[in-house]
Amino acid sequence: VQLLESGGGLVQPGGSLRLSCAASGFSFLNYAMSWVRQPPGKGLEWVSSISGGGASTYYADSVKGRFTISRDNSKNMLSLQMNSLRAEDTAVYYCAKFRILSRDAFDIWGQGTMVTVSS
Amino acid sequence: DIQMTQSPSTLSASVGDRVTITCRASQSISIWLAWYQRKPGKAPKLLIYQASTLESGVPSRFSGTGSGTEFTLTISSLQPDDFATYYCQQYNSYSTWTFGQGTKVEIK
Repeated sequence: VQLLESGGGLVQPGGSLRLSCAASGFSFLNYAMSWVRQPPGKGLEWVSSISGGGASTYYADSVKGRFTISRDNSKNMLSLQMNSLRAEDTAVYYCAKFRILSRDAFDIWGQGTMVTVSS
Repeated sequence: DIQMTQSPSTLSASVGDRVTITCRASQSISIWLAWYQRKPGKAPKLLIYQASTLESGVPSRFSGTGSGTEFTLTISSLQPDDFATYYCQQYNSYSTWTFGQGTKVEIK
C-alpha cells in the first residue's frame, strides 16, 4: 500500500499549482481520500477530502473557493488544484487514505510534497 | 467547528518513563479520535483510532483512553524510538477533520 505525491514547487503569490497523488496496493475507488498539510514549524492541518466515487468533496475554510480536490479512479490518482496561492499556503502537503469509512482516521500517508509560495 | 487542544505542548522525559498526553475537544466527539506519531522527514503514522483501538503493528506500550471531550495517549515505558511529536485528531464530523496542535516528546 503506497501513496506518492508529486507536483510541489516554488510559486509566486497569486499563482497556481496542481498536486497529484498516485495510489497503489489497495482498491483506490473504495476509499475516501484527503489532503493534509504541515506549514514549516507548525502542526498538521486538514485541507480537503473526497469520497470514493468523487461525488462529495469537503474543504477547510482556509482553502475553500481556491482549492479543488478531484480523483481519477481509472488511474488511481488523487489531485489538488491550488489557485490564488498565498504565503500561508506554504507547507508540506500529504495525501492520506481513510482507514475504512470517511468518518475515520487516516491510516496511510504519502511522504509529502513541498509547496513554497514566495516572490 | 470543533477545536482540539493538546497538553502539554512539549514534554521532557527519559527512556523508561511513563508518559501521558491529553487532548480535549471543544464539544463531544464520542470516541471518534485518533492519535498519530510524527517524526522529522517522515509521514505521520497512525497509532490509535476510535480513541482506544491500537492500529496493527503499533507496540502495546501505546494506549489510548477517553470519550466525549477528554482523551489521553499513554506510553507505558518510553523507548528511544518514541521521541517524536504526537497529534490527536477528531473525526466526529463527516465534513471537517481537526488536529490538535501537537505535543513534542523530548529527551530529558
